[in-house]
Amino acid sequence: DTGVSQDPRHKITKRGQNVTFRCDPISEHNRLYWYRQTLGQGPEFLTYFQNEAQLEKSRLLSDRFSAERPKGSFSTLEIQRTEQGDSAMYLCAGTAGGGDEQFFGPGTRLTVL
Amino acid sequence: GESVGLHLPTLSVQEGDNSIINCAYSNSASDYFIWYKQESGKGPQFIIDIRSNMDKRQGQRVTVLLNKTVKHLSLQIAATQPGDSAVYFCAENGDTGNQFYFGTGTSLTVIP
Repeated sequence: DTGVSQDPRHKITKRGQNVTFRCDPISEHNRLYWYRQTLGQGPEFLTYFQNEAQLEKSRLLSDRFSAERPKGSFSTLEIQRTEQGDSAMYLCAGTAGGGDEQFFGPGTRLTVL
Repeated sequence: GESVGLHLPTLSVQEGDNSIINCAYSNSASDYFIWYKQESGKGPQFIIDIRSNMDKRQGQRVTVLLNKTVKHLSLQIAATQPGDSAVYFCAENGDTGNQFYFGTGTSLTVIP
């Protein structure tokens, strides 16, 4: 158990709806990452926070996606106007201090009908 | 984006044998590499990492080798156990050092 939790674990939604996922890293995780993973593929980087500041976003990230980490603790990832192509596992990971090891949560599996 | 790929998508080994999983990367600016293990329904789990100033690093039953000349990374698992069955990913940190690029993965099956 990495101590990183994600909620919900599963989400089924209809195309066009908005969804929001939450990630709770441990308190030592000053850096937080969001990834998307489709079946049979490795995780794809979405965005990265250093404390509350969103420092990097993937060039491939649609403007329908937005992430926040308002107090430098938990983070949310929102997808607006979901599309079937958004169906995937959404993973978050935390990194503590000056280290590089990323501790992943169990992920939120999104299915868009 | 970056190109991080694995030579063998599936690998089956007998319990007790050694396993070698290979990975090719394309960005010469990457200076940090990680191997992850992912079991079904779980997030990736860190196994071992290596920086570009090293060519070998050993952990418990695992060894990572880095060949910067040919941009190749490998993971060696000694005395493979059934619990090692999983998908293994390599990842590199790319140009900025913070956007980690993962390969497709190799599925390792250990035969008892």
